[in-house]
Amino acid sequence: GAVVSQHPSRVICKSGTSVKIECRSLDFQATTMFWYRQFPKQSLMLMATSNEGSKATYEQGVEKDKFLINHASLTLSTLTVTSAHPEDSSFYICSAREGLTSGRAPGELFFGEGSRLTVL
Amino acid sequence: DAKTTQPPSMDCAEGRAANLPCNHSTISGNEYVYWYRQIHSQGPQYIIHGLKNNETNEMASLIITEDRKSSTLILPHATLRDTAVYYCIVTDGNQGGKLIFGQGTELSVKP
Repeated sequence: GAVVSQHPSRVICKSGTSVKIECRSLDFQATTMFWYRQFPKQSLMLMATSNEGSKATYEQGVEKDKFLINHASLTLSTLTVTSAHPEDSSFYICSAREGLTSGRAPGELFFGEGSRLTVL
Repeated sequence: DAKTTQPPSMDCAEGRAANLPCNHSTISGNEYVYWYRQIHSQGPQYIIHGLKNNETNEMASLIITEDRKSSTLILPHATLRDTAVYYCIVTDGNQGGKLIFGQGTELSVKP
């Protein structure tokens, strides 16, 4: 199956700094990528949808200036947590969807391994 | 909000079939049922999806009731590695693949 890779898998940073998380589709072109966050013992919460070459669409309540998303190519999307604070500590997960010609169902997504952010 | 209801937890004996139910009583005609699972501290993994007919693949079977208001995911011979949170998600093609996760069912497979 298709592979999505995230980097870094774990990151610890000081409060006030910015952290960038990369999401790559390794063997397919991802026209759409999604970013989720997950707190302990909770489900995944969708943060935003990004389409290659266009601005991300953020879910209600997600600050777009806080969580910067860039989808500059068909194989790479990045999430930057700006001026991180302890409450931003979470598990961030990306997922990717192949193009419409792939034959896959619209909801058949491939998820990365996740990136655990700890803000001190 | 998620459009599905699942029991919060279930146990299953190793080697036995695991039957995970999902209620989606407000499903509309063009919405599919997708199942994903998440093993602890990993990203979710796609399992199977269906519209009306029952579906089977190498991982599982999906049984959808005739009125489409509920479905059951069946893992025919559960192993310890199947211990995970299983999510039932309803979505249509117009959402562009956007998946909204509910609370899921935490399945514990016991020896």
